[in-house]
Amino acid sequence: GDSVTQMEGPVTLSEEAFLTINCTYTATGYPSLFWYVQYPGEGLQLLLKATKADDKGSNKGFEATYRKETTSFHLEKGSVQVSDSAVYFCALSWGGGSQGNLIFGKGTKLSVKP
Amino acid sequence: DAGVTQSPTHLIKTRGQQVTLRCSPKSGHDTVSWYQQALGQGPQFIFQYYEEEERQRGNFPDRFSGHQFPNYSSELNVNALLLGDSALYLCASSLGSGPIQETQYFGPGTRLLVL
Repeated sequence: GDSVTQMEGPVTLSEEAFLTINCTYTATGYPSLFWYVQYPGEGLQLLLKATKADDKGSNKGFEATYRKETTSFHLEKGSVQVSDSAVYFCALSWGGGSQGNLIFGKGTKLSVKP
Repeated sequence: DAGVTQSPTHLIKTRGQQVTLRCSPKSGHDTVSWYQQALGQGPQFIFQYYEEEERQRGNFPDRFSGHQFPNYSSELNVNALLLGDSALYLCASSLGSGPIQETQYFGPGTRLLVL
C-alpha cells in the first residue's frame, strides 16, 4: 500500500542553521504531497504542498520540491529560528490538488536552540 | 472566524466503555475527517463524512463509528474501548469531497486515555 517514510528525529539545530528533513513516498502513480507542522499542544497546520512532479511548495521560508524520479519531497529551510521548533509531518493524498484521506509519515521532531 | 473546535480536550475511560468525541468544523466547511494519532506516530485516517454520509473509511474496526449532523458538525464514537485506543483524536474539516475537496484544517484534538 501507499506509505510515507521520514527521517527519524529528533533533529537539534542551532538558530540560523540550514534544515533538511528527508521524506520519501511509495505509491502507484503521482499523489499530491504535503508538509504539515504540529506545534506543542496544537493541531496540525498545513505548511506547504505540491500537486505534481517538479512543483515546488513554499511557505514561511520553507521549501520542498516534488521529485518523481527519486519519489521524494524533502523539506528545507535556509535559516531556522527557535520558533520553528515543532514536529513536522510529510503526507500524501490522491485527487490532484484536493485531499482525500491523508497518509502521514511518523513525524520528525525539530528543536532549535538559541 | 472560529477554526475547527473539538470537545472534550481530555478524556479518561476504562476498558470496555464507550466514548463520544465531538467536532465543529471551520465556518463554511461541509466535510469532516477523523484521524487517530498514537504517541510518537503520524495520524491515521479513520473516516470522512460529507453530506451526512460516511464517504471514505480507513483500516479501523466497526467499533469506530461516526455521524455528521445537518449543521456539518460531527461525532466519533468508539465502543468496547481497548487500551490500544489511547491516542490523540484529530478532526479535520474541509470544503467539498472527493476530487473537489479543498485543504483540510485540523482541530487541536481530543486526548483519550483508556485505563
